[in-house]
Amino acid sequence: QKEVEQNSGPLSVPEGAIASLNCTYSDRVSQSFFWYRQYSGKSPELIMSIYSNGDKEDGRFTAQLNKASQYVSLLIRDSQPSDSATYLCAVRWDTGNQFYFGTGTSLTVIP
Amino acid sequence: KAGVTQTPRYLIKTRGQQVTLSCSPISGHRSVSWYQQTPGQGLQFLFEYFSETQRNKGNFPGRFSGRQFSNSRSEMNVSTLELGDSALYLCASRGNTEAFFGQGTRLTVV
Repeated sequence: QKEVEQNSGPLSVPEGAIASLNCTYSDRVSQSFFWYRQYSGKSPELIMSIYSNGDKEDGRFTAQLNKASQYVSLLIRDSQPSDSATYLCAVRWDTGNQFYFGTGTSLTVIP
Repeated sequence: KAGVTQTPRYLIKTRGQQVTLSCSPISGHRSVSWYQQTPGQGLQFLFEYFSETQRNKGNFPGRFSGRQFSNSRSEMNVSTLELGDSALYLCASRGNTEAFFGQGTRLTVV
């Protein structure tokens, strides 16, 4: 059974702080990992993808992958009120083509 | 490069009716997946089409069906609508790895 789990939150951080979002997944078969941001009433927007262990940085966003511990995280540095959204973690196992989504973590950045 | 286009954006239907939603993927993408999103259930996978063939299917009743055309455009159909089918329906277009979502169709069943 392939499962992706996220803490639903809500997670609140002050403006300028680092927001840390976590995601765990089942099954250690090789995978691809994605983070999506979804504003209320809008569709999910891809913000990061990561395929190998370690860190991947893109602007204020850093994705961290640890396959041995089966978790992937997203760090948002210098958080802004515009980062307030739900963040969805998605995993695609190489044994199939389907994306499995977590239920999302709601982030609020307080000005 | 055009994004993923879903039509219509909003729909209001009556219980028992049927509805067809359309999704045009990013040019060159052959995979189209459909999801249902509700506040309580999150993103639920409906099915995926690749080169006109259904490749994966989620755990939804047979009232939910789909197809894909030779130009990769996809449609999903829901027959005998129920109140519980009210949701945001999203399609995702995928090339080799990353998937990109359309703006969704918000369906309200009354």
